[in-house]
Amino acid sequence: AQSVTQPDIHITVSEGASLELRCNYSYGATPYLFWYVQSPGQGLQLLLKYFSGDTLVQGIKGFEAEFKRSQSSFNLRKPSVHWSDAAEYFCAVGLGGYQKVTFGTGTKLQVIP
Amino acid sequence: GAVVSQHPSRVICKSGTSVKIECRSLDFQATTMFWYRQFPKKSLMLMATSNEGSKATYEQGVEKDKFLINHASLTLSTLTVTSAHPEDSSFYICSAQLGSGRVVREQYFGPGTRLTVT
Repeated sequence: AQSVTQPDIHITVSEGASLELRCNYSYGATPYLFWYVQSPGQGLQLLLKYFSGDTLVQGIKGFEAEFKRSQSSFNLRKPSVHWSDAAEYFCAVGLGGYQKVTFGTGTKLQVIP
Repeated sequence: GAVVSQHPSRVICKSGTSVKIECRSLDFQATTMFWYRQFPKKSLMLMATSNEGSKATYEQGVEKDKFLINHASLTLSTLTVTSAHPEDSSFYICSAQLGSGRVVREQYFGPGTRLTVT
């Protein structure tokens, strides 16, 4: 079965600093990869997705993620964090040819002035 | 586009009663919808996959007689928590998937429903 690991439970960055959230997956083939963001008490919003093609994908709100097959990773990045980016971020993986998606445990981002 | 709504956003009910939560895709048709449960400071736990016109597929450990799912149309799925107990208190989130068939597509999530059982 596929699995997703987000090794950082909680990250604190200063506003304006760069950000990288880590995500590693375990799956035998190329998975479908997603990053979602959740604000407190809210549902999840899709930031970006990777299905195939260019391994560097651009998303909304200035986020990007890079798929690295050799490292089984799909890390999320943003060059300059804004206070409004404080939220919980979930990496998710879907199997090709099947609809179910597995979510990581999430990384809570705190942004300090 | 791709907006999913949930109703109610918050509900408080007494132990032993049943509660229905609605999930609607507002601007697209969703053959497949998913129901998740999220515990505090935890990830999303998939409860069941809801397919329009057929029985839901429940994940291991989820009681299908307690969490009744109905997906009667391409825009509406409902989750009914029957004979609710305090341990059923949680944040329930639905999602709807664009497209159909066995191709993975992104899911669009509703805003969630906070259920508190007293």
